[in-house]
Amino acid sequence: ETGVTQTPRHLVMGMTNKKSLKCEQHLGHNAMYWYKQSAKKPLELMFVYSLEERVENNSVPSRFSPECPNSSHLFLHLHTLQPEDSALYLCASSRTRDAGGKNIQYFGAGTRLSVL
Amino acid sequence: AQSVTQPDIHITVSEGASLELRCNYSYGATPYLFWYVQSPGQGLQLLLKYFSGDTLVQGIKGFEAEFKRSQSSFNLRKPSVHWSDAAEYFCAVGAVTDSWGKLQFGAGTQVVVTP
Repeated sequence: ETGVTQTPRHLVMGMTNKKSLKCEQHLGHNAMYWYKQSAKKPLELMFVYSLEERVENNSVPSRFSPECPNSSHLFLHLHTLQPEDSALYLCASSRTRDAGGKNIQYFGAGTRLSVL
Repeated sequence: AQSVTQPDIHITVSEGASLELRCNYSYGATPYLFWYVQSPGQGLQLLLKYFSGDTLVQGIKGFEAEFKRSQSSFNLRKPSVHWSDAAEYFCAVGAVTDSWGKLQFGAGTQVVVTP
């Protein structure tokens, strides 16, 4: 148990559906991350939130919309996804972003998303 | 921008044998280096990290890694693998200048352990 909980663990959705992924961390961290993990590819950082500021990967399509209502919760809202969006979506948190690249990130178990 | 290469996509090793996983990075300064492990159906777990100092670092589960600046490498080793070491291993690089703590991950090495 890493202290980072993701729900649901599995999600199947059609291309016209709207769904949300949820991440909750119980570690008292101030930074949270969304990653996409596709087979045989490096993890792709999608979004970083820290103290209500956000950094995003400009290559992430607008059909992915993050929300971070507080430092413990992170959502990824999904709408009109494509089959190529099928992947494992991982959430991570770290104590603070101020340590820069020294941040140790703690990962949840992920949500396995299948888009039909 | 930094980048990470894990040359071996897949490694098969016998239980009790030694294991070495390769990681090469590209970065203009001394990076922060990490090894994570992902067991089936799980998220990533930190095995060990290098920030500075002694270039041989010890981690959990009997793993160690050595930072070699001249070779831009950070290879992971274990003297004797156990069946529970079967997993996917990821090398990652953090940049000294990155105030957002973003990590660049390699594509991973899948380790299979045979009896």
